[in-house]
Amino acid sequence: AQTVTQSQPEMSVQEAETVTLSCTYDTSESDYYLFWYKQPPSRQMILVIRQEAYKQQNATENRFSVNFQKAAKSFSLKISDSQLGDAAMYFCAYRRFYGGSQGNLIFGKGTKLSVKP
Amino acid sequence: DAGITQSPRHKVTETGTPVTLRCHQTENHRYMYWYRQDPGHGLRLIHYSYGVKDTDKGEVSDGYSVSRSKTEDFLLTLESATSSQTSVYFCAIGTSGYEQYFGPGTRLTVT
Repeated sequence: AQTVTQSQPEMSVQEAETVTLSCTYDTSESDYYLFWYKQPPSRQMILVIRQEAYKQQNATENRFSVNFQKAAKSFSLKISDSQLGDAAMYFCAYRRFYGGSQGNLIFGKGTKLSVKP
Repeated sequence: DAGITQSPRHKVTETGTPVTLRCHQTENHRYMYWYRQDPGHGLRLIHYSYGVKDTDKGEVSDGYSVSRSKTEDFLLTLESATSSQTSVYFCAIGTSGYEQYFGPGTRLTVT
């Protein structure tokens, strides 16, 4: 069974600085998807970024980028120019490549990010 | 905004009573999911659906049942609520690609 581990329960960053959140996963499959979700105090789960395992290029969405290391089974999230609105819980998630009944997400336990003004 | 609503948004109920949570989507997605979120556990899959009347169990399905009689609605039922089912419940839809988008969540308290 696949597992996702986020080893940092809490992180803190100064406004305008850069922070990296860690995520490792365990799988025997070669094709899969990885995601980062943001959950602010409103509780809404917001998709931040996604990565296809078959793509070597790291995904980027504005100030958010990932460092995907397939051999190491590592998928870290870098937030550049941190803003107060980035304060939230961040969840790493894994999804098998094949959809349908196998398409549910497996989540890590989350990292709580605080942003200091 | 993937057009997903959940009702109710908050509910307090007593142990032993039946409870039904509703998820409604407006974009005709085939795949729908119910997750629960508990401190220290992240989100865990309860049940999912891959079409009308097509459902299956997830990781933590004991004590829950689901139904999907229309594409747009996915219902989660707690036949006899227990305190261990106090949680935040999220519905999600799966797109034709591979992403999932979540509803706003329902906070359920079982006293």
